[in-house]
Amino acid sequence: RKEVEQDPGPFNVPEGATVAFNCTYSNSASQSFFWYRQDCRKEPKLLMSVYSSGNEDGRFTAQLNRASQYISLLIRDSKLSDSATYLCSNTGGFKTIFGAGTRLFVKA
Amino acid sequence: DVKVTQSSRYLVKRTGEKVFLECVQDMDHENMFWYRQDPGLGLRLIYFSYDVKMKEKGDIPEGYSVSREKKERFSLILESASTNQTSMYLCASRSRRLNEKLFFGSGTQLSVL
Repeated sequence: RKEVEQDPGPFNVPEGATVAFNCTYSNSASQSFFWYRQDCRKEPKLLMSVYSSGNEDGRFTAQLNRASQYISLLIRDSKLSDSATYLCSNTGGFKTIFGAGTRLFVKA
Repeated sequence: DVKVTQSSRYLVKRTGEKVFLECVQDMDHENMFWYRQDPGLGLRLIYFSYDVKMKEKGDIPEGYSVSREKKERFSLILESASTNQTSMYLCASRSRRLNEKLFFGSGTQLSVL
């Protein structure tokens, strides 16, 4: 089993839709969690941190469920500019690993 | 502004060549990482370093080595390049404080012919 698993998609959604991604992890000792966004041919950039209490930033909400070992990302009112690959990551000790990414296409 | 610089954006090498990929960060970060990214496989950790002269194997270290002689520089070495090492290589750094994010370089697309 991979340490971090994501549904690769692609998710094809119309503008204005709400879309949710999940990411499961196997290392119960993981300490910190993040969602990154990666545009085509670019490096990943931090989208948001993920906490057990939930974290909201505008249209984006991230959540951590330690009991079930998954993190989620909710995007409300999708924009064309949200089209990208979304990568989840977790860190245990010094080691940070990533899921394979979920591809999102938002269509007009 | 935070910066992680990778020495080359594109690199073409021959099978069997020794290849050096350089990464420099200007944020005084303790932790540095090398990943490779392939379609459908995401980012896979090759090696990481939690401080100067320290290195740890990641998930796919075979065929690679690293060097961290100075805090700001982390080098990835392909001792004898092979065609299956054709990939996008991404360097990243991070402060050792808890819950810190990674900062990435813009990547090196390596083609081994």
